[in-house]
Amino acid sequence: SQKIEQNSEALNIQEGKTATLTCNYTNYSPAYLQWYRQDPGRGPVFLLLIRENEKEKRKERLKVTFDTTLKQSLFHITASQPADSATYLCALALDTGRRALTFGSGTRLQVQP
Amino acid sequence: GAVVSQHPSWVICKSGTSVKIECRSLDFQATTMFWYRQFPKQSLMLMATSNEGSKATYEQGVEKDKFLINHASLTLSTLTVTSAHPEDSSFYICSANARGDGYTFGSGTRLTVV
Repeated sequence: SQKIEQNSEALNIQEGKTATLTCNYTNYSPAYLQWYRQDPGRGPVFLLLIRENEKEKRKERLKVTFDTTLKQSLFHITASQPADSATYLCALALDTGRRALTFGSGTRLQVQP
Repeated sequence: GAVVSQHPSWVICKSGTSVKIECRSLDFQATTMFWYRQFPKQSLMLMATSNEGSKATYEQGVEKDKFLINHASLTLSTLTVTSAHPEDSSFYICSANARGDGYTFGSGTRLTVV
């Protein structure tokens, strides 16, 4: 069966450090992978998209890598701040059409001041 | 940027009644919208894909007669939870894809059935 795993349910780090979150998937060949931020009681907010032919994508303090051989994506937040505390979700789409996303279970990040 | 407006943000209803949740795309047309459900401390689970002018596509295990979806225009999709029961209490979220990159989500509806 198809699975998406974010293998840390929770991650606590000190302010200023780099947070690294992992997303692994099995039995998929995704066209692209996305990362979202979700705050309690709110809908997810899109952060970054990386395509299958891209190895790395950056946006300000965020960096995403995509290794289709390992079937893994890493999501990095550099110089983390308490305001970065939230749940981060990875999501896959199976083709380039406007299809529904399949989400991982999420990693709850807590940045301590 | 693309905005999806979802109402109500929360609702409490009695067991056996029906509740309608609206999802509107404010600055773009959405031929397809997606409805998700999220239980506490769990991830989003796709319930159905709503297609403008045609029937919705439901995921396995989701009762189409219980969760009625109507997508009558390019900017509005509704989800009606019929004969709601306490086990239907959850966080319901809609989303749409405006410009091909990330998807835009509504702010969610917290449904509590008492």
